[in-house]
Amino acid sequence: EAGVAQSPRYKIIEKRQSVAFWCNPISGHATLYWYQQILGQGPKLLIQFQNNGVVDDSQLPKDRFSAERLKGVDSTLKIQPAKLEDSAVYLCASSLVGPGGGEQYFGPGTRLTVT
Amino acid sequence: GENVEQHPSTLSVQEGDSAVIKCTYSDSASNYFPWYKQELGKRPQLIIDIRSNVGEKKDQRIAVTLNKTAKHFSLHITETQPEDSAVYFCAAYSNSGNTPLVFGKGTRLSVIA
Repeated sequence: EAGVAQSPRYKIIEKRQSVAFWCNPISGHATLYWYQQILGQGPKLLIQFQNNGVVDDSQLPKDRFSAERLKGVDSTLKIQPAKLEDSAVYLCASSLVGPGGGEQYFGPGTRLTVT
Repeated sequence: GENVEQHPSTLSVQEGDSAVIKCTYSDSASNYFPWYKQELGKRPQLIIDIRSNVGEKKDQRIAVTLNKTAKHFSLHITETQPEDSAVYFCAAYSNSGNTPLVFGKGTRLSVIA
């Protein structure tokens, strides 16, 4: 089966610019996650969708980050405006059921560098 | 919310030796504990998981133990091989509330041939 797809793989922007990431989950996976992984740390959940509804966005900096999952399939994560501390790898993951139900399948990630 | 501590942050072992990585969690309601392996520049992949109704689970050279009373769980890798070299993350999840899967900070394992 095809895995989780993400684009772009790399992005370099200046602070205060905007950026958007795209994710296509594994077909049939109802749950989609966006994680931020700062160098040397574990992934931190930013937002979790169940179909096209938000389940958890408690750690999403809503003043600058936004995400949507229209039609319950693909998802986009946007940062506007970016800060230096947003430099990280942004991982998208999907699973058949919720986070306690089993494996989350991760995409290759987007490495964001903010200068 | 949940807090997961992971130790050590780096671990070097000789090929063929065993490696042990330990994690503690704070939420006594946590009931699902996966371990992910992330090779350099690649995505995290699940290698083993355990639920709170089980004390130990084994899959070939990999085993995980869980002590609910002490709120800690460990990953054991036996007969290590160079391809085991990677960063390993533990995580904990509780379905008692609206809490996410929380990851530890990772352990960089180096297996020296």
